[in-house]
Amino acid sequence: AIQLTQSPSSLSASVGDRVTITCRASQGIGNALAWYQQKPGKPPQILIYDASTLESGVPLRISGSGSVTYFTLTITSLQPEDSASYFCQHYRSYPLTFGGGTKVEIK
Amino acid sequence: EVQLLESGGGLVQPGGSLRLSCAASGFTFISYAMSWVRQAPGKGLEWVAAIGGGGATTHYADSVKGRFTISRDNSKNTLYLQMNFLRAEDTAVYYCAKDEETDPFFDHWGQGTLVTVSS
Repeated sequence: AIQLTQSPSSLSASVGDRVTITCRASQGIGNALAWYQQKPGKPPQILIYDASTLESGVPLRISGSGSVTYFTLTITSLQPEDSASYFCQHYRSYPLTFGGGTKVEIK
Repeated sequence: EVQLLESGGGLVQPGGSLRLSCAASGFTFISYAMSWVRQAPGKGLEWVAAIGGGGATTHYADSVKGRFTISRDNSKNTLYLQMNFLRAEDTAVYYCAKDEETDPFFDHWGQGTLVTVSS
């Protein structure tokens, strides 16, 4: 199975900061990567798919990039409502797998 | 509006069985593959199983293969997860999730149902 390694596992940043989360795949997955945001007690919500395509309604301060084995999720100007956990997921083949998650806190 | 409503969670003893259901509405159910994804308390997300729109194709995580069965009734717009030989490590919130049209990432999720395996 393809393993996804996310880093960092948690971070604390101030409003307005630029934040970057990385997701590394154990083998090449092309651009078959999605990112989700999850707030406590809620289901995940899709943010980005195909590594860099923004889901409709997602703020433009959120972006994704990367391909093959290295991917990033960037929030250019962190807002209070961005406090959440973020997960990457590959869909190159079954079994599908998720990264371990990154918890983003606001200082 | 897409809605996914899970039910059937609860407390079960190790070795027991449980069947989860997910009632879908707001989209053409038969046209979309569906998955179950779980999340142990305070942990990350784990994909569990997937089924194609017609129901003929299924995939499972190694951790549940041979114990869980995913199925669907397209006449009732309902997804199921039959869970047998449950273990403590199966304790989690179970989400049903709708695949995007062409790729197995998830554009809609239910609110989840909690399964607790404990004696």
